[in-house]
Amino acid sequence: EPEVTQTPSHQVTQMGQEVILRCVPISNHLYFYWYRQILGQKVEFLVSFYNNEISEKSEIFDDQFSVERPDGSNFTLKIRSTKLEDSAMYFCASTLQGYTEAFFGQGTRLTVV
Amino acid sequence: AQSVTQLDSQVPVFEEAPVELRCNYSSSVSVYLFWYVQYPNQGLQLLLKYLSGSTLVKGINGFEAEFNKSQTSFHLRKPSVHISDTAEYFCAVMRQGGSEKLVFGKGTKLTVNP
Repeated sequence: EPEVTQTPSHQVTQMGQEVILRCVPISNHLYFYWYRQILGQKVEFLVSFYNNEISEKSEIFDDQFSVERPDGSNFTLKIRSTKLEDSAMYFCASTLQGYTEAFFGQGTRLTVV
Repeated sequence: AQSVTQLDSQVPVFEEAPVELRCNYSSSVSVYLFWYVQYPNQGLQLLLKYLSGSTLVKGINGFEAEFNKSQTSFHLRKPSVHISDTAEYFCAVMRQGGSEKLVFGKGTKLTVNP
């Protein structure tokens, strides 16, 4: 069964450092997303990506964040200068069409110290 | 904007008992509705969805949900739960004809005890 894979599963980084979270969406999907879940809080939308550009982003997704699809398979989320409050579980998701089932990866737990 | 309220943060039940996990939403436009499940150390998996048509939708693992437009609710039910149903359950909405982003509730932790 096709699945979304995320690496690494857990990343610890020092405040101010850059991190790149990686995702391999399902191969024939067209829409890609990043969500995050701070411990004890709800899953929040960060950004959606379609046709090689951002289609929507939330208020959380400020200039410190960027996304890229560098090749035909990977979808990355970069945080330029991490803050303590960036500590969260980050989920990548993909869909074939916008309103169809979103397939989620297992998440990357980011801990900023 | 859309919002989702899951009224119970934790629901403990005994094995083979019925369960209902409640979800209410708020939206000024029509929405699609989803329930996702997250097992420990795993990603989110779709249980079921309501796009249109019959208001009673059936999903995987014996779960079903009923869309009630007048009450803006989409409660999840299972007539008899198993230990393996222990997980966190998330209700989510997506605005029709607009952004494809999901708006999630805070989640309900279902614990099934023997």
